[in-house]
Amino acid sequence: GQQLNQSPQSMFIQEGEDVSMNCTSSSIFNTWLWYKQDPGEGPVLLIALYKAGELTSNGRLTAQFGITRKDSFLNISASIPSDVGIYFCAGRRVASKIIFGSGTRLSIRP
Amino acid sequence: EADIYQTPRYLVIGTGKKITLECSQTMGHDKMYWYQQDPGMELHLIHYSYGVNSTEKGDLSSESTVSRIRTEHFPLTLESARPSHTSQYLCASRPTGENDVQYFGPGTRLTVL
Repeated sequence: GQQLNQSPQSMFIQEGEDVSMNCTSSSIFNTWLWYKQDPGEGPVLLIALYKAGELTSNGRLTAQFGITRKDSFLNISASIPSDVGIYFCAGRRVASKIIFGSGTRLSIRP
Repeated sequence: EADIYQTPRYLVIGTGKKITLECSQTMGHDKMYWYQQDPGMELHLIHYSYGVNSTEKGDLSSESTVSRIRTEHFPLTLESARPSHTSQYLCASRPTGENDVQYFGPGTRLTVL
């Protein structure tokens, strides 16, 4: 079946560092979504992308819909402790349901 | 801010018990979803509904069942809980239209002993 490959699986960062993660597929997607999930909670939408090449920001977060429509990227600038959590990408192909990536777990290095 | 609620938040129950996980949304969304998620892992769609009296099975086979008698309510039932059902169950909803954004509830963490 269709799959989203999300990387990295996990990352440890120092406070203040910039963070990058991405999601790729062998299929073309019409929608890319990025969610964040805190422990014990449901995912919360960060950014939604609907057009190839689209670059959208939400505060310190910036996400891009890849030109090939097969990937998407999320960047976090100047990370802070509350950025810790699991980030999920989600995508939808034409006439299909949303599917989720396996998540990127972000931790702060002590 | 999404208004979607799940109860209970946590449930520990013995094998063989019947349980119902509640999900309600006050946004009038037609589409509702149930996902199963092991801790820190990806979300797997187990059921969805596109409106009242409409229910479909998702991509991951599940022994649970759902019903959609009212727009705002989408409960999930396990007739006989087993340890393999231990997981987090997330409910989501979204309005009909081109916007694909799903709004999630806080989840129910189920432990079957």
